[in-house]
Amino acid sequence: DTEVTQTPKHLVMGMTNKKSLKCEQHMGHRAMYWYKQKAKKPPELMFVYSYEKLSINESVPSRFSPECPNSSLLNLHLHALQPEDSALYLCASSQDRARAYTGELFFGEGSRLTVL
Amino acid sequence: DAKTTQPPSMDCAEGRAANLPCNHSTISGNEYVYWYRQIHSQGPQYIIHGLKNNETNEMASLIITEDRKSSTLILPHATLRDTAVYYCIVRVAGLTSGTYKYIFGTGTRLKVLA
Repeated sequence: DTEVTQTPKHLVMGMTNKKSLKCEQHMGHRAMYWYKQKAKKPPELMFVYSYEKLSINESVPSRFSPECPNSSLLNLHLHALQPEDSALYLCASSQDRARAYTGELFFGEGSRLTVL
Repeated sequence: DAKTTQPPSMDCAEGRAANLPCNHSTISGNEYVYWYRQIHSQGPQYIIHGLKNNETNEMASLIITEDRKSSTLILPHATLRDTAVYYCIVRVAGLTSGTYKYIFGTGTRLKVLA
């Protein structure tokens, strides 16, 4: 299984709503990532988790709250978002550092978020 | 963080080689270069990566200059299905040992023409 699965594929929410995006992988990867991608722009890194601990936060506003409950699952909790937060949110994973890994990120297909 | 620059768009005739350049003049000695492509806002797909030496796999070849300040992705026989946005990425070490950031370049929109 070399898949990263993201749900939901599409999400529409109001500015006062609370919602979550979910990402799951069963490749034994211990690093997981959230990226945000606006239309016609490259993906921008938001968060990196390593061994279920948050290791990188790229100064993301607190209305985005990541969570890594176990090594296979990564969530992104959304609260009080703005219309400009509408974007494609991509999850990715990679193997753990113990194996001196130099290979690739595996990406999911993304969750397309629209904030009204 | 090391940054990459790429031409915004390129055309290539079907069956010909597509050569996509990337400039990463501020790259550090232990930072890898990766190439991904993205089709119609799907998740980015891995193509190839390298550090110093040229690399080849079933999809493409990666040529890295000796000073490592630039690289070129080569798709040897482009097909219509290779039409996509191609991203040159530098992998940068995070503050925590063993963690990394994969920093995307601006991307090149490759159009393969019939």
